[in-house]
Amino acid sequence: KQEVTQIPAALSVPEGENLVLNCSFTDSAIYNLQWFRQDPGKGLTSLLLIQSSQREQTSGRLNASLDKSSGRSTLYIAASQPGDSATYLCAVRPVENNAGNMLTFGGGTRLMVKP
Amino acid sequence: GAVVSQHPSWVICKSGTSVKIECRSLDFQATTMFWYRQFPKQSLMLMATSNEGSKATYEQGVEKDKFLINHASLTLSTLTVTSAHPEDSSFYICSASPATSARYIQYFGAGTRLSVL
Repeated sequence: KQEVTQIPAALSVPEGENLVLNCSFTDSAIYNLQWFRQDPGKGLTSLLLIQSSQREQTSGRLNASLDKSSGRSTLYIAASQPGDSATYLCAVRPVENNAGNMLTFGGGTRLMVKP
Repeated sequence: GAVVSQHPSWVICKSGTSVKIECRSLDFQATTMFWYRQFPKQSLMLMATSNEGSKATYEQGVEKDKFLINHASLTLSTLTVTSAHPEDSSFYICSASPATSARYIQYFGAGTRLSVL
């Protein structure tokens, strides 16, 4: 059974710092990996999706990398801002056809960026 | 595009009553919809997968008679929490996958906060 772990569970940094969020998964047979942002009491916003054949994806100040063989992904946030404060979730999608579109989520990293 | 609307966003009910939550795909047809449950400071746990026109597939440990899921059309799935109890209080989130080549994408609703008194 796929297990997804995110470290750290919580992170507090001053504004302007570059930071790295970590995600690890136990089964490397994944179709893709996705990073989401969730604001308190809200739904999920997709940030980046990396296909299993890709090594990284970039969007603005965000860069996500994927090392499928080692079961790891990182989300790099450059020049953090108070508006980046949220919970960041990673999720993996299995490669098996019968598992379809199911996502397995990590526990999330709660990020607070202080002004 | 690809908007998923969830209603209501917040509901308070008395113990023993039933609550219905709606999940609609507004600008696409969704063959598959997913229902998740999220407790405070925890991640999303998949409750069930619903396919249009067929019975939902429930995850282990989720009572199908308590959490009734109906996916009657390609744009609407409903989750009914029957005989709700305080331990059912949680944040419920739905997602929908398009009936297209983008079927491996899930678009998420904004969630419904259920408080059972």
